[in-house]
Amino acid sequence: QSVLTQPPSASGTPGQRVTISCSGNSSNIGSNTVNWYQQLPRTAPKLLIYSDNQRPSGVPDRFSVSKSGTSASLAISGLQSEDEADYYCAAWDDSMNGVVFGGGTKLTVL
Amino acid sequence: QVQLVQSGAEVKKPGASVKVSCKASGYTFTSYDINWVRQATGQGLEWMGWMNPNSGNTGYAQKFQGRVTMTKNASISTAYMELTSLRSEDTAVYYCARGIGGSYYYYMDVWGKGTTVAVSS
Repeated sequence: QSVLTQPPSASGTPGQRVTISCSGNSSNIGSNTVNWYQQLPRTAPKLLIYSDNQRPSGVPDRFSVSKSGTSASLAISGLQSEDEADYYCAAWDDSMNGVVFGGGTKLTVL
Repeated sequence: QVQLVQSGAEVKKPGASVKVSCKASGYTFTSYDINWVRQATGQGLEWMGWMNPNSGNTGYAQKFQGRVTMTKNASISTAYMELTSLRSEDTAVYYCARGIGGSYYYYMDVWGKGTTVAVSS
């Protein structure tokens, strides 16, 4: 059972906009910034979004995040086939004194 | 370029220990944390702990307390993660990742390719 809660799956057709939710509590998302990682099949995770809404160099602005209270959502607009991957949210947790992850959301591009 | 290069796959028997290495290049090794994250086949990411290569300070997830040790050899820019008393449930891919953090924020921006550890009798 993951500390952060994500839906196990999401899907969309090319060009669509999809969102992936991430729910936590006051010890993690409620008091620290949220990060998102993308894991393409058979590869290591890659930092997608950090500090709530910052994109590392090379990450397209099709990826955006909204956050409110103890929840956050990753939005992917203009969905492309190469976006098919697992997506994980993560944050520092003050009560656990460590990083906590969501269980991951498998995004399928139909 | 900044990269983390991990050691090769390991096969261990239950009860044994494994030590995985992570060699950093392209940046100042002592300026960033090293984290360890593992992933069992078909499962999600599980954070194991962090180490500050400058001070040697560490922080471990409660689940691994007493079984995991994170160390470093700064002279060769290499971090190590040792896990003892292995059991079948420890079969997973183990990743090292560079950590950046301060008040209110912490993230892992560079990841190694992973080291497969299989525990089987």
